Amino acid sequence: EAQVTQNPRYLITVTGKKLTVTCSQNMNHEYMSWYRQDPGLGLRQIYYSMNVEVTDKGDVPEGYKVSRKEKRNFPLILESPSPNQTSLYFCASSFPPGQGAMTFFGQGTRLTVV
Amino acid sequence: DQQVKQNSPSLSVQEGRISILNCDYTNSMFDYFLWYKKYPAEGPTFLISISSIKDKNEDGRFTVFLNKSAKHLSLHIVPSQPGDSAVYFCAASARGGGATNKLIFGTGTLLAVQP
Repeated sequence: EAQVTQNPRYLITVTGKKLTVTCSQNMNHEYMSWYRQDPGLGLRQIYYSMNVEVTDKGDVPEGYKVSRKEKRNFPLILESPSPNQTSLYFCASSFPPGQGAMTFFGQGTRLTVV
Repeated sequence: DQQVKQNSPSLSVQEGRISILNCDYTNSMFDYFLWYKKYPAEGPTFLISISSIKDKNEDGRFTVFLNKSAKHLSLHIVPSQPGDSAVYFCAASARGGGATNKLIFGTGTLLAVQP
């Protein structure tokens, strides 16, 4: 079954404690990205990766890091989380969006930073 | 600035009637448009799309209309069913590389279909 799997689904952490949200896809997609969803703001892209070892900033990259060492995995790293990073996060994968490819999303990670 | 706008945060419709969700965009470089549906505690799932070379695409109960001159698209659901109750996101993408090679999402419209 084609899917994007992200973990954990829920996470409560304290300010400044480094955390990683994992993301894995089984569709051999080149393009992966991370979004955050906030009330009234929709889905905003944090970082994206066009292929292995190729990553770039999205619209709201501050406070986040990513890596793409393998095609299937694209972890999101918060080195020093702050309360304004409390949000719902989605990992996504597709063939390059400019070609109109369908994007598949993970089930989401609800992060609370206290 | 919001390149893709969904000006109605919510919409309530009776079961069996038509639901019309609207979306406006500002970037004339967008050449592909998609609608995603999102249930609580789940990720968005693809619903229907349209290329800028078309003005209509239909899939069962769902039809998307594109008016390029007005930079406007709409999603019609006929007939609406209670299971259609969800948040609907409009998204757009542009051909090309780099920062434009991504989906830009609207803020979403919460559709409630009343039995």
